[in-house]
Amino acid sequence: GAVVSQHPSWVICKSGTSVKIECRSLDFQATTMFWYRQFPKQSLMLMATSNEGSKATYEQGVEKDKFLINHASLTLSTLTVTSAHPEDSSFYICSASGDSAEAFFGQGTRLTVV
Amino acid sequence: GDSVTQMEGPVTLSEEAFLTINCTYTATGYPSLFWYVQYPGEGLQLLLKATKADDKGSNKGFEATYRKETTSFHLEKGSVQVSDSAVYFCALGMDSSYKLIFGSGTRLLVRP
Repeated sequence: GAVVSQHPSWVICKSGTSVKIECRSLDFQATTMFWYRQFPKQSLMLMATSNEGSKATYEQGVEKDKFLINHASLTLSTLTVTSAHPEDSSFYICSASGDSAEAFFGQGTRLTVV
Repeated sequence: GDSVTQMEGPVTLSEEAFLTINCTYTATGYPSLFWYVQYPGEGLQLLLKATKADDKGSNKGFEATYRKETTSFHLEKGSVQVSDSAVYFCALGMDSSYKLIFGSGTRLLVRP
């Protein structure tokens, strides 16, 4: 299957700082990318859907000013957690889809805010 | 709203044992159903899927049948291996946009 790479795999940051997570499709063009968040022992919750070159569509309850999503190219989407606080600590996962009838997932990024 | 419920883990089995991981769903329409697997340190991978009622998805010895009457999509394997140890996620998708609703995941541990 196609490969989606997330970077970093884990990050620790201080409260109040911003953190950027990258999601790259390595061998296909991703017209749509999705960002999910997973709390311990809970489901992956969809945060937003982004299409290349347009603004992301956020799910209800997700603060778009806090979780900035950029999908500037067909191979890269970024999620920036702005002014992070301990409650933002979580596991963030991206997925990407292109022409095939499947979404491919990154390995996830564990964010810890101290 | 739409949702997916799957059995809590961890599920611990001996090698060659029979596996069942239960998954039920709630949806207003006619979703596609998926099982994803996440091996340690890796991303989610599609294991199998079914797009309509009575379809059976299968891959790598795993099977799941889309049961509309019981709103279920239970994952089964006749003989598990140590290499099957992973976290398994049941999910549903309501359209072709690949936006998915996931269950909470079930960790499977297979002992030699």
